[in-house]
Amino acid sequence: QLQLQESGPGLVKPSETLSLTCTVSGGSISSSSYYWGWIRQPPGKGLEWIGSIYYSGSTYYNPSLKSRVTISVDTSKNQFSLKLSSVTAADTAVYYCAGGIVGATYFDYWGQGTLVTVSS
Amino acid sequence: DIQMTQSPSSLSASVGDRVTITCRASQSISSYLNWYQQKPGKAPKLLIYAASSLQSGVPSRFSGSGSGTDFTLTISSLQPEDFATYYCQQSYSTPVTFGPGTKVDIK
Repeated sequence: QLQLQESGPGLVKPSETLSLTCTVSGGSISSSSYYWGWIRQPPGKGLEWIGSIYYSGSTYYNPSLKSRVTISVDTSKNQFSLKLSSVTAADTAVYYCAGGIVGATYFDYWGQGTLVTVSS
Repeated sequence: DIQMTQSPSSLSASVGDRVTITCRASQSISSYLNWYQQKPGKAPKLLIYAASSLQSGVPSRFSGSGSGTDFTLTISSLQPEDFATYYCQQSYSTPVTFGPGTKVDIK
């Protein structure tokens, strides 16, 4: 059973880069069986897909964020990460990492989420 | 982008009630529709995938139906632990998009 856990700063200054890491346990992040993604949820609002990455290294980003987002994998640490540059208050949200089975089109493994606040 | 809408945005119901939530896509998404349940302070939990397939471990009182643009999530007999917000999600094309959510609370 896969388990995912987000980590990273809870406070980021405007114009800086938000960096989060998701540590995966119970399975290998480099397995061809899984794909990984990030989803965020502003306080009191709905869910927004940020992007996904596959074992091949292929990445898919939400066009609304694409110019500012990078998702990457660190196989040595069994982790994947999110970088979001030039943040503003609008990027304040709970950020979830998630995983799914390749071939499926949904996320069935989720981290608990981490709140990131953008403020000076 | 494919836009997802849900109705109602909220509803009040009693334990034992039958509850139906509707999700509509702005274009046909075949059966690439998933449903999630989210409780306050928790991550979303997958309930239904591919419009009508029940995720392992999810009680059988949850069911999904539909294809194309119109979908429904039904809870046949609402239980106390079902009070939550429900989101539909299309996975037909990127960007993956979610509906705005339907909050189910206690009457």
